[in-house]
Parts: sequence; structure tokens; C-alpha cells
Amino acid sequence: AQKITQTQPGMFVQEKEAVTLDCTYDTSDPSYGLFWYKQPSSGEMIFLIYQGSYDQQNATEGRYSLNFQKARKSANLVISASQLGDSAMYFCAMRGLDSGNTGKLIFGQGTTLQVKP
Amino acid sequence: DAGITQSPRHKVTETGTPVTLRCHQTENHRYMYWYRQDPGHGLRLIHYSYGVKDTDKGEVSDGYSVSRSKTEDFLLTLESATSSQTSVYFCAISVSLGNTIYFGEGSWLTVV
Repeated sequence: AQKITQTQPGMFVQEKEAVTLDCTYDTSDPSYGLFWYKQPSSGEMIFLIYQGSYDQQNATEGRYSLNFQKARKSANLVISASQLGDSAMYFCAMRGLDSGNTGKLIFGQGTTLQVKP
Repeated sequence: DAGITQSPRHKVTETGTPVTLRCHQTENHRYMYWYRQDPGHGLRLIHYSYGVKDTDKGEVSDGYSVSRSKTEDFLLTLESATSSQTSVYFCAISVSLGNTIYFGEGSWLTVV
């Protein structure tokens, strides 16, 4: 069975500083993908970044980077130079990628990030 | 824009009444999913579809049924709504099993 764990229910960060949101996972699938989504107070799910289990390098997308440590089964999201607009709920998610998989995403419980001015 | 439309976006219904939520896509993607979001639980999978008339249960499927009679529509039905089904419902679509999954804007359902 697959499982995603986000151990930080809430986080605070000062504007312009970097912050790391933790995510650990468990899966028996040899091939999988890891996702981070942002959910602002308006409710939509915004895709941030993706890491494939066989990707050699950690993924980066602008101010977002994914610190992928496969042996430790962790996929932490790093947000650099935090902005007030980064205040939101953040979800880590995973899907299996093998041919027998149906691609369903398994989500963690989320971390609420508040950026202080 | 992934071309996903959820309807209705907001609904209040009474306990015991049937409710159907619709997810419509314009991209002919194969995979479609229904999730519910509740405080403290993140998003949990209700049902999913991997093709027309091909559906399967997720982790919280009790009390829900789905149908997919054509590629573009995935319907979620609450046969007899209960207060525990008050939630935000998200539809998602995926082209393949890669890195692209699009979410609808959500449907807020309140069962009174």
C-alpha cells in the first residue's frame, strides 16, 4: 500500500526567507512519481512540481525545488524567497507509474504555510 | 487550462436525497478521478475511471457510485446523501501515467 506523511500541520516563515515542507512516503512500486500541490484559500489545486523516482536530478521550478532522497523515502519541498502569496495549504502526493497502475494519486494530510511580512 | 468543468459548484441538499456531481472534460483524457477533501484528511480517492465504462473503487467509496458512459463525462452519485458526505469534491483528469494531472475547481456539497 502507498502512504504519504506530512508531519507539519502548520508552518510559519518570514517573508523573503526559505522554508522546507516535509514529506515522507512509502510504496512498494518500483517506479513512482511525487507531486506537490498548493491550495490557496480560494480552494483550487495548483500543481507546483513533479519528481520521478528514476530522475537523476532533483526537480526545480522557479522558486520551488524538491529535495528528493530516495533511500530515505523523502520528498521535501523547498520554497526560496518566500512571498506573502505563498501562504496556503501544501499537499504532497504520489502515484505509481508501472503499466498495471491506474495512476491514482495518494495525498498527504497537508501543511498550512503562513508567510509573515 | 485543462478544460475541466465541475457542476454544480455549490449545492445544499437534504439528508436522504440523491445527488449527482458531474465532471466534464474537453481533452479526451483517459483517466478520471473523484476525490473528497475534508479537514485533517487531505484529499481521499472515492472512485476512478480508466476508460469508458471502466471504473473502480478508491479508499472511501462507500455511499458513492460512479458512471462513465462517454470519455468526457464522469458522474459521481450519492444515492442517499448523509451529513458525513458534506465535503468538497474534486475531479481530476490525467492523460497518461506521467506527471500531468489536472484538477477541477471543486464542488462544495453541504448535506443538512
